Amino acid sequence: GAGVSQTPSNKVTEKGKYVELRCDPISGHTALYWYRQSLGQGPEFLIYFQGTGAADDSGLPNDRFFAVRPEGSVSTLKIQRTERGDSAVYLCASSPGRLAGASSYEQYFGPGTRLTVT
Amino acid sequence: RKEVEQDPGPFNVPEGATVAFNCTYSNSASQSFFWYRQDCRKEPKLLMSVYSSGNEDGRFTAQLNRASQYISLLIRDSKLSDSATYLCVVGVNFGNEKLTFGTGTRLTIIP
Repeated sequence: GAGVSQTPSNKVTEKGKYVELRCDPISGHTALYWYRQSLGQGPEFLIYFQGTGAADDSGLPNDRFFAVRPEGSVSTLKIQRTERGDSAVYLCASSPGRLAGASSYEQYFGPGTRLTVT
Repeated sequence: RKEVEQDPGPFNVPEGATVAFNCTYSNSASQSFFWYRQDCRKEPKLLMSVYSSGNEDGRFTAQLNRASQYISLLIRDSKLSDSATYLCVVGVNFGNEKLTFGTGTRLTIIP
């Protein structure tokens, strides 16, 4: 079946602008995660949704970052007043959710959005 | 101290050889463990979950030592297609929660 999809694949924006990054999880997956990955580093957790609610937003670096998932499926990560330090690959992942069995928490990643702030 | 530590490599290994990666984690409450592989400019892909009893999937074997807070991955009979970065990943709880990634170990298989 279809995997996690993310749009756009690349985004170049000027410092100070607002950007939105979109994630479409695997159909039926109730849990959705945002991570970001800088060059030479592993992905770093930002926020996790279970259904429509943000269950853990402890990884958001500051209040310029916000994410929503209004219908429990597609999610949008919003970054206000972008800074050059926000440049990274933003990865979205989904997992089946609170089902019986060990595989319910295995996370599957989308291809990412490469954000460049100039 | 980083929450998940890996030797960044690079490891350059001849085709057909056996290669082992190690990883240590700092949070003794961690409950879920994984190895992901990541190809250049691609997303991480789940390679295998790591269970307390150890587990094997074809040429890949993962081991967990909770007492030493240590995870390993062994690749036997390495193939050119095994060239990638291998990420050690730890979660605190079973269930849906944030994962903490190591920086990854870069592996290149040499023909």
